[in-house]
Amino acid sequence: AQKVTQAQTEISVVEKEDVTLDCVYETRDTTYYLFWYKQPPSGELVFLIRRNSFDEQNEISGRYSWNFQKSTSSFNFTITASQVVDSAVYFCALNLTPRPLVFGKGTRLSVIA
Amino acid sequence: GAVVSQHPSRVICKSGTSVKIECRSLDFQATTMFWYRQFPKQSLMLMATSNEGSKATYEQGVEKDKFLINHASLTLSTLTVTSAHPEDSSFYICSARDLTGGDGELFFGEGSRLTVL
Repeated sequence: AQKVTQAQTEISVVEKEDVTLDCVYETRDTTYYLFWYKQPPSGELVFLIRRNSFDEQNEISGRYSWNFQKSTSSFNFTITASQVVDSAVYFCALNLTPRPLVFGKGTRLSVIA
Repeated sequence: GAVVSQHPSRVICKSGTSVKIECRSLDFQATTMFWYRQFPKQSLMLMATSNEGSKATYEQGVEKDKFLINHASLTLSTLTVTSAHPEDSSFYICSARDLTGGDGELFFGEGSRLTVL
């Protein structure tokens, strides 16, 4: 069975603080993909990253960084120097092609000015 | 990059009417599309898998006679909410798999917000 757990339901931070969103996944497959999406109030899903199970390198993209650790089945997402525009719901998701994505419950991030 | 377009983005209808939502892959052929539903402050839940040229596969608890899915071409899947009721009010979002590159990357539509009065 596949499962994604985002234990943090809601997080509030003050602007310019760093924040890490946790994601723990479960799968018995060795080949899979992990995703992070941002969902602003308008509703559309904004793709942030896709990482395959064989690539454990951490990734940095501007203020965003991701830490993938297979040993702990985690794929955490850090926003550095958070901004008000980062306020959104963030979803972690797991995919075993050709099956559909399995989403976590999401973490609602509020960045306060 | 590949684009998936959904229409309409917002729809308001009266209880008892039917509503059709379209999901199109604009620059690739999608033999498989997925339909998700998201209630307020909840996650995206898979409703069904739409397969081109064959019947859709519905998740447990999703009424296939209420949520009609048609995937008649390689670029279009439609979801029809029949006899809609207020409890069907939700955000519906589709995704399509692009097999062109070989790894089946998934792309999402913009979503359709349905409000049933």
